[in-house]
Amino acid sequence: EIVLTQSPGTLSLSPGERATLSCRASQSVSSTYIAWYQQKPGQAPRLLIYGPSSRATGIPDRFSGSGSGTDFTLTISRLEPDDFAVYYCQQYGSSPQTFGPGTKLEI
Amino acid sequence: EVQLLDSGGGLVQPGGSLRLSCEASGFSFSAYAMSWVRQTPGKGLEWVSSLSRTGAITYYADSVKGRFNISRDNSKNAMYLQMNSLRGDDTAVYYCATGGDNSIHVYWGQGTLVTVS
Repeated sequence: EIVLTQSPGTLSLSPGERATLSCRASQSVSSTYIAWYQQKPGQAPRLLIYGPSSRATGIPDRFSGSGSGTDFTLTISRLEPDDFAVYYCQQYGSSPQTFGPGTKLEI
Repeated sequence: EVQLLDSGGGLVQPGGSLRLSCEASGFSFSAYAMSWVRQTPGKGLEWVSSLSRTGAITYYADSVKGRFNISRDNSKNAMYLQMNSLRGDDTAVYYCATGGDNSIHVYWGQGTLVTVS
């Protein structure tokens, strides 16, 4: 199975700053099959980005995804207070689908 | 409004069984493959099982194969996860979600906690 590693584990930033979150796969993943989710405490994950740069419905253009091969990035251009949460990457191109361990974005 | 309502979680002894349910509303349930994804503090998010739109094709993670059974009733807009021979490492919050094997998950339930102890 493909193992996803996310870095950093915790990212401390301030509103208005730019956040860059990394997701690395143990083997090559078609960029079409990478997604990113946001999760806040007590809530289910919410799909942000898939494919790897298409935004889900209602997701602002501050969120963008990029990457290829084994290295993928989620960028949040200008952090807002509501963005502080845990972010997970997912690969769904190879069975079984797998998720990364998450990056906690904190103020 | 799309809603997925998970239920059926609880405390169960090792070796016991539980049946989780997921009731869907606000979308054409029969048009979607569906999945169960679980989350633990230690292992994070883990895909558990998926089934096709008709329920004829099912998929399982190796960790639950032979112990869990996924099914759906499109006439009731519902999906189920029968969990048998439960172990301590099955303790998790279980989410139902739209999307099947090798798919994104757009909509998620609120989660139901299963504790095996």
